[in-house]
Amino acid sequence: KQEVTQIPAALSVPEGENLVLNCSFTDSAIYNLQWFRQDPGKGLTSLLLIQSSQREQTSGRLNASLDKSSGRSTLYIAASQPGDSATYLCAAVQGGSEKLVFGKGTKLTVNP
Amino acid sequence: EAGVAQSPRYKIIEKRQSVAFWCNPISGHATLYWYQQILGQGPKLLIQFQNNGVVDDSQLPKDRFSAERLKGVDSTLKIQPAKLEDSAVYLCASSLTARGNSPLHFGNGTRLTVT
Repeated sequence: KQEVTQIPAALSVPEGENLVLNCSFTDSAIYNLQWFRQDPGKGLTSLLLIQSSQREQTSGRLNASLDKSSGRSTLYIAASQPGDSATYLCAAVQGGSEKLVFGKGTKLTVNP
Repeated sequence: EAGVAQSPRYKIIEKRQSVAFWCNPISGHATLYWYQQILGQGPKLLIQFQNNGVVDDSQLPKDRFSAERLKGVDSTLKIQPAKLEDSAVYLCASSLTARGNSPLHFGNGTRLTVT
């Protein structure tokens, strides 16, 4: 059974700092891995999707990497801004199924 | 494009009552998902539809939860009777294709409180 873990549960940084959010998964036979952002009282917004054959994906100030062999993914946020404050969740799509398994998320606070 | 629409936004009911949630996915999206998100947790898949057929409902408590997607478009999720532990946000999502090939688009959810 796939389990997805995100550490830390919460992170507070000053504006302008570069930061890394971590995601680990127990079963490396994934189809892809996705990163989402969730604002308070809102649904999830898809940020990046990395196929199992890819090593990274970039969108603006965001870069996500995937290392299947070690069961890890990271989300790198460059030059953080207060507007980046949100909860970031990663989800693994298990190979052979169509189910996304989510982590509990990392709550990020960027202080002005 | 219009996003995933969900209603109601909030619902408060007493235990043992019934409740229904509605979801309208993005036009053309074949795959529809219902997730349950308990405070402080990641979303948990309840049921996944491909068009109007069920792909996965292994984590749906079928003794009290039911869902349907008539005509492969809108969907409703029902809880009858509700328990205190059903208090959560119920999120609907849709995607163009299955297997997570394409990103999921989420609605804003329905926050259910069972007293």
